[in-house]
Amino acid sequence: QQQVKQSPQSLIVQKGGISIINCAYENTAFDYFPWYQQFPGKGPALLIAIRPDVSEKKEGRFTISFNKSAKQFSLHIMDSQPGDSATYFCAASVGSGNTGKLIFGQGTTLQVKP
Amino acid sequence: NAGVTQTPKFRVLKTGQSMTLLCAQDMNHEYMYWYRQDPGMGLRLIHYSVGEGTTAKGEVPDGYNVSRLKKQNFLLGLESAAPSQTSVYFCASKDSNQPQHFGDGTRLSIL
Repeated sequence: QQQVKQSPQSLIVQKGGISIINCAYENTAFDYFPWYQQFPGKGPALLIAIRPDVSEKKEGRFTISFNKSAKQFSLHIMDSQPGDSATYFCAASVGSGNTGKLIFGQGTTLQVKP
Repeated sequence: NAGVTQTPKFRVLKTGQSMTLLCAQDMNHEYMYWYRQDPGMGLRLIHYSVGEGTTAKGEVPDGYNVSRLKKQNFLLGLESAAPSQTSVYFCASKDSNQPQHFGDGTRLSIL
């Protein structure tokens, strides 16, 4: 049972463009939604995270938009750069202060063309 | 400060062999996790630990065992390796209300 569904599987964007990755979840008990960035040969690293009490969070060129009623959240990368080329994972968890177990989406491979 | 260190980085096994993957963290974190990453499936939780001496099953625990005898170490064991266990294995650790920190993975091939 895939509780977090991520799309698209792959994405190609021109330098300077906007990259958008979408995730949908099923469990309404989820209360923490992080995005992880992974470069080849490395482990995932936290990029940005949001809790359901806000609809948007922005950190530099990265923005999470959250729609609680639709049970969807998305990552927007503004002014995409070749250095942003990586695999991105959305995730969700219940009670990050407890066991902190994360349920990951399937991943999106982003390629930013110069 | 090395963070989360996984050993070995690469390993090739034959079907039926056993091995242990080691995860060590130097951040004094309470929680530790083992995931496997397969193409198109994201990361799936195998086992996790909320403190020294405790372990619990995740999404895909079958065929794996774990131990957390010391707070800084979390071991993942394969008793009888199968080709379906060919994957990249990641360890992570965290403290309460903090994000998970991941190691750089162990690439395991089972022939």
